Amino acid sequence: GQQVMQIPQYQHVQEGEDFTTYCNSSTTLSNIQWYKQRPGGHPVFLIQLVKSGEVKKQKRLTFQFGEAKKNSSLHITATQTTDVGTYFCAGHRATGANNLFFGTGTRLTVIP
Amino acid sequence: GAGVSQSPSNKVTEKGKDVELRCDPISGHTALYWYRQSLGQGLEFLIYFQGNSAPDKSGLPSDRFSAERTGGSVSTLTIQRTQQEDSAVYLCASNLDRGTGNTIYFGEGSWLTVV
Repeated sequence: GQQVMQIPQYQHVQEGEDFTTYCNSSTTLSNIQWYKQRPGGHPVFLIQLVKSGEVKKQKRLTFQFGEAKKNSSLHITATQTTDVGTYFCAGHRATGANNLFFGTGTRLTVIP
Repeated sequence: GAGVSQSPSNKVTEKGKDVELRCDPISGHTALYWYRQSLGQGLEFLIYFQGNSAPDKSGLPSDRFSAERTGGSVSTLTIQRTQQEDSAVYLCASNLDRGTGNTIYFGEGSWLTVV
């Protein structure tokens, strides 16, 4: 079945350091979305990538969608304590059912 | 309302009892999703609705779980004969459709505890 894995599962960084999480799907995706979930909160949509090789930036966050549309990454430059949370990727399969599959998530802790 | 509304926000139930969780999506959103999240874990897909039909029920963990959606709007997730392992946050989300550029919005979740 559909599997979307993320690495690392946990990441502790000093404030100011960079952070990257990687997302890999077992099947080709039509799009990739990224969500952030603060502790005790619900996932909040960050961005969607659709095109093969697409790169998008949101301030200190850079999102990439792989050429084969099976992997993606989120990179945060100079982390801040407000970046704390769990980051999930999610995608729709290119064919078949329309449900949105979530990755396993990466929990980021930023040490001030 | 302005966002996805879920009720109850918290539910404590005894093992073996049935529970119903309700989701009221954003008005006009045709796609509705149910996910389950155990403490500190990822989001486990349960079921997806497009309108009133459920093209994918593959995530429902057992036949004790069922869901329906009426009028293309409100959805109810029912868990029969609850077990302790059913304890989790049940998250509902909705969006316009599967098309590109459509943001998915989550509700605050229903926290279920089975004792």
